Amino acid sequence: GESVGLHLPTLSVQEGDNSIINCAYSNSASDYFIWYKQESGKGPQFIIDIRSNMDKRQGQRVTVLLNKTVKHLSLQIAATQPGDSAVYFCAEKTSGTYKYIFGTGTRLKVLA
Amino acid sequence: EAGVVQSPRYKIIEKKQPVAFWCNPISGHNTLYWYLQNLGQGPELLIRYENEEAVDDSQLPKDRFSAERLKGVDSTLKIQPAELGDSAVYLCASRGNTDTQYFGPGTRLTVL
Repeated sequence: GESVGLHLPTLSVQEGDNSIINCAYSNSASDYFIWYKQESGKGPQFIIDIRSNMDKRQGQRVTVLLNKTVKHLSLQIAATQPGDSAVYFCAEKTSGTYKYIFGTGTRLKVLA
Repeated sequence: EAGVVQSPRYKIIEKKQPVAFWCNPISGHNTLYWYLQNLGQGPELLIRYENEEAVDDSQLPKDRFSAERLKGVDSTLKIQPAELGDSAVYLCASRGNTDTQYFGPGTRLTVL
């Protein structure tokens, strides 16, 4: 039950600080990446995406960085709020397909 | 615009019983996905439809799982008979004419 979820990597940040969540992807042929936020009891919610021909994309309070050299993706959340507490997943899509592979997930805890 | 709709949200059954989950994708989305999500893990693809055609069902345990999308819109995923290890969240997602897939709220299945 819940004990399985506790094995997720966990990032604890103070409210108002910036958060950085990292993801290593596996396939150099992946051409599209998505970050999802999943709150308890809900489905994954789209946050931001980025294509492989970009290295940075910004949204509202969120930035995604892509480093294709080391196959690394990160999600930066500015001024983290209690409502940001959730599990965050990255997903990669292989070029030429519409199949998505999900990472392990990171639990973000925002401390008041 | 309505999101991906799934029902039921929760289901509790005894082992060896059948169970079915229903999904209605976002209007106009031709691609529909069924995923399985175990606690603390990312979604794992079970089957992908392009319109009414199952184009990727390699991860679907076909001895007990079946799916259909007869008219290329809504879809049903069935398990018969259910086993204890099938307890998980079953997520449906859809994709339109972009690379982004959107998830429904999921159905949490508990097999006793």
